[in-house]
Amino acid sequence: DTGVSQNPRHKITKRGQNVTFRCDPISEHNRLYWYRQTLGQGPEFLTYFQNEAQLEKSRLLSDRFSAERPKGSFSTLEIQRTEQGDSAMYLCASTETGDEQYFGPGTRLTVT
Amino acid sequence: QKEVEQDPGPLSVPEGAIVSLNCTYSNSAFQYFMWYRQYSRKGPELLMYTYSSGNKEDGRFTAQVDKSSKYISLFIRDSQPSDSATYLCAMKLTGGGNKLTFGTGTQLKVEL
Repeated sequence: DTGVSQNPRHKITKRGQNVTFRCDPISEHNRLYWYRQTLGQGPEFLTYFQNEAQLEKSRLLSDRFSAERPKGSFSTLEIQRTEQGDSAMYLCASTETGDEQYFGPGTRLTVT
Repeated sequence: QKEVEQDPGPLSVPEGAIVSLNCTYSNSAFQYFMWYRQYSRKGPELLMYTYSSGNKEDGRFTAQVDKSSKYISLFIRDSQPSDSATYLCAMKLTGGGNKLTFGTGTQLKVEL
């Protein structure tokens, strides 16, 4: 399978815990994006990497959120001290050209 | 006011009907327009990608862009029950990080 993969697919955590999600982009796609989607809404941009450099962050990305892409391959998104408002689907997308973005299946986070 | 407006539906049509899905936008700097299909609890799947005003056809799908009116459409011919999903319009600026700005999505149900 050469598509974007994300793990875990579903994460249930208690408020205040830290969580980390992983995204593996399509091979040789140098651009990687994280989005967040809540029920009944479209995905909202969180952050963007070109290779290993994080080039843009949304104001939605509070200080509790951090993303990395070491070596320009897979990426991780960590949320510290989770809050109930963090419950959402976290989506990763990748692209080679910057035009057509291909999404992974998402990680559904539930904070109890 | 959101940058991209999309009727959330739900929209219910009989099998074989022609479906019209629409989005309006306020930022005239948007240059690239996409339609994604999203099944329940899955990641968005890229259906159509267009750059200029006009029509683009792919099988039963036709994407239409009218930049002068800031209006885009997706037409689905001979709709099938398997087309039942949420359809998201997305658009982006030229250059930069190429982050996508999405509509809220229209939920479509094609009934037998």
